[in-house]
Amino acid sequence: ETGVTQTPRHLVMGMTNKKSLKCEQHLGHNAMYWYKQSAKKPLELMFVYSLEERVENNSVPSRFSPECPNSSHLFLHLHTLQPEDSALYLCASSQVGGPSYTFGSGTRLTVV
Amino acid sequence: DAKTTQPTSMDCAEGRAANLPCNHSTISGNEYVYWYRQIHSQGPQYIIHGLKNNETNEMASLIITEDRKSSTLILPHATLRDTAVYYCIVSSGGSNYKLTFGKGTLLTVNP
Repeated sequence: ETGVTQTPRHLVMGMTNKKSLKCEQHLGHNAMYWYKQSAKKPLELMFVYSLEERVENNSVPSRFSPECPNSSHLFLHLHTLQPEDSALYLCASSQVGGPSYTFGSGTRLTVV
Repeated sequence: DAKTTQPTSMDCAEGRAANLPCNHSTISGNEYVYWYRQIHSQGPQYIIHGLKNNETNEMASLIITEDRKSSTLILPHATLRDTAVYYCIVSSGGSNYKLTFGKGTLLTVNP
């Protein structure tokens, strides 16, 4: 248990489904992040929330929609995904300004 | 943020020191060097970071050259559980703090 909990651990969804990934941190951090890791590729930063405000959106398709209702919770809402969206989705948290991120164990998403 | 260059892979014998190099020749004065590792299919784990002085914690030591253009992460007594991809990242702190991961170095510790 790293202090950042992601649910579910595994998710299989059809291209027409709508699902949500959840991330929760109990570390008192005030910044949260979503990363995507496709097979044999580096981690890609998707979204950054700082003090509950989205401060970065790295050209992520609109079929991915983040939500940060408070500093402890982060969601990634998914709809109309493509098979190439299959990947490990990682959530992380930190204090604004660092010095370190704490990552969750990730959600392994398969789109069929 | 400055770019980093790391070897694609390295091997190390169990019980020996693992020395992982990283080049960051374009690092600027306010940028830190961070090291993370990722064991297969898990989230990355923070190891250590530094600005210009050498740093040591319970996991590893970080040696930064005087000109700050390169650094070395040292695992003093590598174990099989240290087999992972190790990422060297350069980033400034403050409101622009974010980590951009490259391909890293796959360290394989052999029995």
